[in-house]
Amino acid sequence: EIVLTQSPGTLSLSPGERATLSCRASQSVRSNYLAWYQQKPGQAPRLLIYGASSRATGIPDRFSGSGSGTDFTLTISRLEPEDFAVYYCQQYNNSPYSFGQGTKLEIK
Amino acid sequence: QVQLVQSGAEVKKPGASVKVSCKSSGYTFTGHYIHWVRQAPGQGLEYMGWIKPKSGGADYAQKFQGRVTMTRDTSATTTYLELRSLRSDDTAVYFCVREGLIAQTWGGFDYWGQGTLVTVSS
Repeated sequence: EIVLTQSPGTLSLSPGERATLSCRASQSVRSNYLAWYQQKPGQAPRLLIYGASSRATGIPDRFSGSGSGTDFTLTISRLEPEDFAVYYCQQYNNSPYSFGQGTKLEIK
Repeated sequence: QVQLVQSGAEVKKPGASVKVSCKSSGYTFTGHYIHWVRQAPGQGLEYMGWIKPKSGGADYAQKFQGRVTMTRDTSATTTYLELRSLRSDDTAVYFCVREGLIAQTWGGFDYWGQGTLVTVSS
């Protein structure tokens, strides 16, 4: 089973700042099979990025994904108030299609 | 528009079984896998398995094998998750999720049901 480790656990930033979230896999993940999701309290997760770097439909271009192999990054270029939430990475390389433990992005 | 609508909240006793439904609409039901993901209170996302609506074939995460069954009714465009021998640590919100396809390759989990809270308590 591929284990995904996200860092940091909590990230405290202010609106307008840049956020960089990391996802490290215990073994190599083909880039086509890495996704990022955003989840707000009481809501289902929302797909942000698939294929490591492709934005899902309707996702603003301040969200970008990068990386390959075992190291992947989600970058939010300029934080808006609605971006403060929990973010999860997910791999689809090997079953079970595991998620990272999440990074909570909070307002500083 | 694509929608996945799940059945309502359930309260079960330890040792019982629960069956959660997920009705799909707005797309070709047999064209996309459905996955199930759960989230315990205050915790992260846990992957449970998938079902291929076209064939009914399914695959489950090892943690749940022997206790879980995923089925579908193509005429009703509905998938089902059954979990047996419930324990208190099965208390969670259960989500059905559609697997997206972009040019016939994996496009992430693009549509999620609203979630079904299953509470296991004596």
